[in-house]
Parts: sequence; structure tokens; C-alpha cells
Amino acid sequence: EAGVAQSPRYKIIEKRQSVAFWCNPISGHATLYWYQQILGQGPKLLIQFQNNGVVDDSQLPKDRFSAERLKGVDSTLKIQPAKLEDSAVYLCASSFTGGRLAYEQYFGPGTRLTVT
Amino acid sequence: QQQVKQSPQSLIVQKGGISIINCAYENTAFDYFPWYQQFPGKGPALLIAIRPDVSEKKEGRFTISFNKSAKQFSLHIMDSQPGDSATYFCAAPPRGGAQKLVFGQGTRLTINP
Repeated sequence: EAGVAQSPRYKIIEKRQSVAFWCNPISGHATLYWYQQILGQGPKLLIQFQNNGVVDDSQLPKDRFSAERLKGVDSTLKIQPAKLEDSAVYLCASSFTGGRLAYEQYFGPGTRLTVT
Repeated sequence: QQQVKQSPQSLIVQKGGISIINCAYENTAFDYFPWYQQFPGKGPALLIAIRPDVSEKKEGRFTISFNKSAKQFSLHIMDSQPGDSATYFCAAPPRGGAQKLVFGQGTRLTINP
């Protein structure tokens, strides 16, 4: 079974530039999550999708971050414009929906973003 | 506000020893408590999880102990091996949960050979 795919793996941009990350979840997983992991901290949920719809985006800085999940499969996360404090690893995860299986999240390898 | 507090932040254990990481939770849904393991350059991977209706769950060298009254759960790694060196995160579903997890700050475990 293929895992969660993410690209790119690394990205270096200057502040005020824009960047986009892509995620392909595990086949059959209706729920998709984007997390931000700052060095030395645990993952922090940015946005949660169930199929096409947003379930929770309460911690997404909506003035600069946006995300979409077209057709309920792949997802993209965009930052525009980037700030220095956005330097982090951006993790995508997916899970089945419903019951305790929803808490068994499968993570991709992440995209390490450096904003200079 | 949901909180998951993990300790210690870092831990060094000799090969063959027991590694113990603790997690305290508050304002979380009383449902499911997983531990994730993360190696450098990789995403977290589910290691082991416990339901609150049992006090302990064991899978190989890994054991979760759950203390409902203290609102704590802990991860024990028996016969720790250098390959166990990683960062470990506890997590819990927040109250009103929408099937999401709140993660602890992580514990960096180093097993010395």
C-alpha cells in the first residue's frame, strides 16, 4: 500500500514570496490533514478536510495561508506571502473517517520550508 | 483549551534499559490515546495506542500505561535499542473532537550503545 506522498521535500524562499505544497493521501482515506511542525515542537493542525469539505481550519492563518482539496483526493497548501516565522516542516496526513480509525493518522515525509 | 503536556523533553537511556515518557492531558475527549514515533527527515508514524477502558496495552517491547484518575498516560520501552532513538509524541483527541488530534511537544529519545 502506497503511503502519503508530498512534494516538494524541501523549499527555500525569500520572505514575501509565495509557495505551494502538494499532498496525495492514501487511497480510500476520506480525511486529510495539514500540520505545521516547527523545529522542536509537536505537529500543529492547520486544516482538516473530509472529502472536499473543510472540517476545521480554526488554526489556519487565513490572511496568508490557503488550502484546497479538489475532487476529495489531492490537496494543496499555499502560503502567500511567506514570513520568516513560517519556516517549518509542513506535514500532510490522512485517515479513514469514523470511529477510532479516524485517529490512526498516516503521515507523509513532510516539506521542509525555509524562509530567508 | 485542549492541552497535552509531555515530559521529559529529552531522554538518554543505555542500551537494554527502560525508557519512560509521560503525557498528561486535560480538556480532551475521553476516547483514544496514541503515541507516534518520528525519525529525522520522516513524518510521525503511529506506534501504539490505548483506549481509556483499559489500563495497559503491550505490543512487543512497547507498553502504554493509562491512569484515568491522574489524567496521564505513559509509554514504556523495554530493552531499549539504538534503533529506538527517535522523537516520540503523545496525542489525544480534543473535546468536541471532529476526529482530530492534539499532539504533545515531543520527547527526543537517545539510546546509547
